[in-house]
Amino acid sequence: AQTVTQSQPEMSVQEAETVTLSCTYDTSESDYYLFWYKQPPSRQMILVIRQEAYKQQNATENRFSVNFQKAAKSFSLKISDSQLGDAAMYFCVFTGNQFYFGTGTSLTVIP
Amino acid sequence: GAVVSQHPSRVICKSGTSVKIECRSLDFQATTMFWYRQFPKQSLMLMATSNEGSKATYEQGVEKDKFLINHASLTLSTLTVTSAHPEDSSFYICSAGDRREQYFGPGTRLTVT
Repeated sequence: AQTVTQSQPEMSVQEAETVTLSCTYDTSESDYYLFWYKQPPSRQMILVIRQEAYKQQNATENRFSVNFQKAAKSFSLKISDSQLGDAAMYFCVFTGNQFYFGTGTSLTVIP
Repeated sequence: GAVVSQHPSRVICKSGTSVKIECRSLDFQATTMFWYRQFPKQSLMLMATSNEGSKATYEQGVEKDKFLINHASLTLSTLTVTSAHPEDSSFYICSAGDRREQYFGPGTRLTVT
């Protein structure tokens, strides 16, 4: 069965510091995409970053970067220079033949 | 970026009635739309995939007769919760796109009294 696991239900980080959110997944597919989405209190899902499985290079978007380890089926998100606006629920998402959402990590940013 | 809207944003209905939620792609054509359900402090659960002009594909455990999905045009998909009960109260989110990119609507909070 394909699953996405986020082992950290809650995380906190000091403003301006760096935090890493973990995600592992299980799949037998070779062609897929991985995403990190952010869901603030408004509940609007916001795309943070996308990684194509066929690309070895880790995706980066400004302060957000991923560590994609395909063989280990690991996809962690690093947030640098954390800001108060980064506080939200973060979901790791796998899309192949099916879509799978992780259980989420609630990130608190401490001023 | 592409915008997906949902209407209504929140709705309260009485038990036993039906309620329709609309999902629209505002500036692009969406061949495929997805419907999710989210319980408080939980992740999104995919309910069904709707393809324009064809029947929706429901995930295991989702009642087709209770959650009617229609995707009659390339910009509109609707979810009708029939004979709603309090346990159907939830946050419903739609998205449009494909596995490479999905654009999410803002969600609809349904409360059944």
